Order: sequence, then structure tokens, then C-alpha cells
Amino acid sequence: QQQVKQSPQSLIVQKGGISIINCAYENTAFDYFPWYQQFPGKGPALLIAIRPDVSEKKEGRFTISFNKSAKQFSLHIMDSQPGDSATYFCAASTRAQKLVFGQGTRLTINP
Amino acid sequence: DSGVTQTPKHLITATGQRVTLRCSPRSGDLSVYWYQQSLDQGLQFLIQYYNGEERAKGNILERFSAQQFPDLHSELNLSSLELGDSALYFCASSAPTGTDTQYFGPGTRLTVL
Repeated sequence: QQQVKQSPQSLIVQKGGISIINCAYENTAFDYFPWYQQFPGKGPALLIAIRPDVSEKKEGRFTISFNKSAKQFSLHIMDSQPGDSATYFCAASTRAQKLVFGQGTRLTINP
Repeated sequence: DSGVTQTPKHLITATGQRVTLRCSPRSGDLSVYWYQQSLDQGLQFLIQYYNGEERAKGNILERFSAQQFPDLHSELNLSSLELGDSALYFCASSAPTGTDTQYFGPGTRLTVL
């Protein structure tokens, strides 16, 4: 019940396209859903986060869509750029406790 | 730069040995979390400290231990190392109670030969 399932495992998108990564969870006590971006040799960096009381949050080219009834959330990257090529992790937590991470998606943006 | 520092950046050691990984949280942050990242297990929570006290434990082996000191830096001790302990170890910190955002350090890459 603590798992967060992420898909796809890898994704190739053309420059300018939309990248979409999906996550699903079981634990309804989760109340914080961040997305992290990780480049090789670096630590995860917070990209954007959402709470279950809103259905969508947008920051620049990055949007989180949240479906509480389906227990799913997704990251959309608009106008994807080669610099967006990285590994993306969704995560969830309860009351400022540990983060439970998805398995990660390796995103490649082809120029 | 997240403001979280970790040393050393790389560590190469032999099976059976003991190592210590160090983490300094962002200024003002009281919580420190340790995570292990391996190819097959992904990012796994190990342990959390809050203002010097252990707050939560995850999938941390008995051979591993941690502590948080009065100046709020934290150390993760790994002993009787096995080949399977080779991984990236990250610490993260967050602001005082009520804040969910965790900021990650650059990690320590541990290689056990």
C-alpha cells in the first residue's frame, strides 16, 4: 500500500513535443505529491509538487494533473527541450514524513 | 544548488569494511532524511532524524546506523559492507515541522569491491 507505480520506464519525445509521465498510488493518506528531476551524477531536484485539494498545478512548461478518485497523477512537460533529458521521479508522502518514490522514467528529448 | 552538502562525493572500499557518510542540512532545517538509490531498488527511504532525535525508520539494515548531532549535521554509518551495498546515498533536509518539501544533496557514491 506504500507503493507508487510509475510509467513508462523510458520515454523518447521529439523536441517541441509533450512528454507525459504517469504515477498511481494506493495509500489514500498521502497528502503531498512532488516530482523530482535527476541528472546523471546529481541529486534529485524538486520540479513541482501538488496537494490533493487541487486537480492541476502549472509552473512554466511543467504541469501536474491530479485525479484523486482514480489515485493517479501525471507530469506533463510542454514544448520539451533537449535540456529536459533526465530521469524523472514521482513521489508521495504523508504529513511531512518520508517520500515514497516511483521507479523513475528516463526521458530523452531528440533534437 | 540545494544548500544540502554531502561528503565524500565518492567512496571506494572493500567488503567487510565500515564507512561514514556525512550530511549537512540547509541552514535552518531540522529534519534530515537518508535515502539509498540503487539500480534495482530505486530510491528507498532509510531513516529520518528531527532535531537530533530519530523520527522514522524505513528499510534500513541492522548493519547501518545514523545519528544527528547538536549542530544538526548527520552521519550515516555502514558496517560489514557487502557488494550489494554499492549504491548512491542521498540525504535530504526539510524545514521545521509542517513543511513537506525535501531538498536533496548531491549524494555519495559508494562502491564496495
